Amino acid sequence: DQQVKQNSPSLSVQEGRISILNCDYTNSMFDYFLWYKKYPAEGPTFLISISSIKDKNEDGRFTVFLNKSAKHLSLHIVPSQPGDSAVYFCAASEGGSNYKLTFGKGTLLTVNP
Amino acid sequence: NAGVTQTPKFRVLKTGQSMTLLCAQDMNHEYMYWYRQDPGMGLRLIHYSVGEGTTAKGEVPDGYNVSRLKKQNFLLGLESAAPSQTSVYFCASSYTGDTQYFGPGTRLTVL
Repeated sequence: DQQVKQNSPSLSVQEGRISILNCDYTNSMFDYFLWYKKYPAEGPTFLISISSIKDKNEDGRFTVFLNKSAKHLSLHIVPSQPGDSAVYFCAASEGGSNYKLTFGKGTLLTVNP
Repeated sequence: NAGVTQTPKFRVLKTGQSMTLLCAQDMNHEYMYWYRQDPGMGLRLIHYSVGEGTTAKGEVPDGYNVSRLKKQNFLLGLESAAPSQTSVYFCASSYTGDTQYFGPGTRLTVL
């Protein structure tokens, strides 16, 4: 049973446009959400996170939105750049004494020049 | 400050052989993790540790053992490798238990 779902395996966007990556979750105990970016042959790198007490968090070109009632979060990249081409993983944590992350399967973003 | 390092980067094993993957972190993190990544499967947690001397099972622990004798090191062992364990293995560490920092990965092939 997948608790974190990224339903789009891939997304293609033109340089300069907005990229929107989506993530849904089923576990209502999740209270902290993260996005990781992964280039081929490298480890995932932390990108941005959001706590369940917020509905938006921004860091430069990256914004994460959280809709708790819909159990949905999204990552917006504006403007998209070719260097953003990578696999993006959504992850969630229950917090408290649960020290684990649950990851989605990832979305491959391709930004075309 | 090297962050999280993994040794080796690549390894080819024959079925039934054993090996140990080493993860080291220099950030004084309490929490350490071993994941495997397979095509279309995302990152799946094998084992984790919440402090020196502790280990716990993750989502896919069968066929693997771990040890955390020193705070900075987390070892992943395969006692009798199987082709199903062909994968890319990532180690991660965390200060708080949520935001995790990953190593570069070990690509393991079991023939």
